[in-house]
Amino acid sequence: SQQGEEDPQALSIQEGENATMNCSYKTSINNLQWYRQNSGRGLVHLILIRSNEREKHSGRLRVTLDTSKKSSSLLITASRAADTASYFCATGGSSNTGKLIFGQGTTLQVKP
Amino acid sequence: ETGVTQTPRHLVMGMTNKKSLKCEQHLGHNAMYWYKQSAKKPLELMFVYNFKEQTENNSVPSRFSPECPNSSHLFLHLHTLQPEDSALYLCASSQELRDGQPQHFGDGTRLSIL
Repeated sequence: SQQGEEDPQALSIQEGENATMNCSYKTSINNLQWYRQNSGRGLVHLILIRSNEREKHSGRLRVTLDTSKKSSSLLITASRAADTASYFCATGGSSNTGKLIFGQGTTLQVKP
Repeated sequence: ETGVTQTPRHLVMGMTNKKSLKCEQHLGHNAMYWYKQSAKKPLELMFVYNFKEQTENNSVPSRFSPECPNSSHLFLHLHTLQPEDSALYLCASSQELRDGQPQHFGDGTRLSIL
């Protein structure tokens, strides 16, 4: 069953603007990960946030986690054309097996 | 430069052919995964291997046959595939098979079934 659902499905912004993507999940989690996928390439791990963390930063990325709402957001500040990609959230669900369940992703287009 | 290499990058095959996908990781990881990525669908986990032992088969049809001869190599043997099997097949690895481990992906094999 699908664990993570991203919103919006597609997002188009101008270079320099901020991009916010949201992810909702269904079961309790220990952590949540975000990945990026450029067209024709594999997924790249961006950031992991643990269930006891509310916010985490990595460069221009800011991730928040609200376990009470079972949701997470990924904010990309001062976007660049190179940020054009699909972004996925992934969780291990309620298991501790290392398996990840991915959402359908948000496709981000950053126009120069 | 990815530490996970997949070959071939593209594969076109007929439904009666037999082919194999190869994945090699240079990261010293112990867990390896096969995923299927179809258009407009979430990434689907197919198989999981830990220390070259299969730990997960996510109800994958028997026309897909994985093989893991060692912790660095993973194969997916294909035979008598169906048109709906056309997809991007991604291999990934992680240091350990436990929650919270980032996975490192190859660039995939784009498979087209004629």
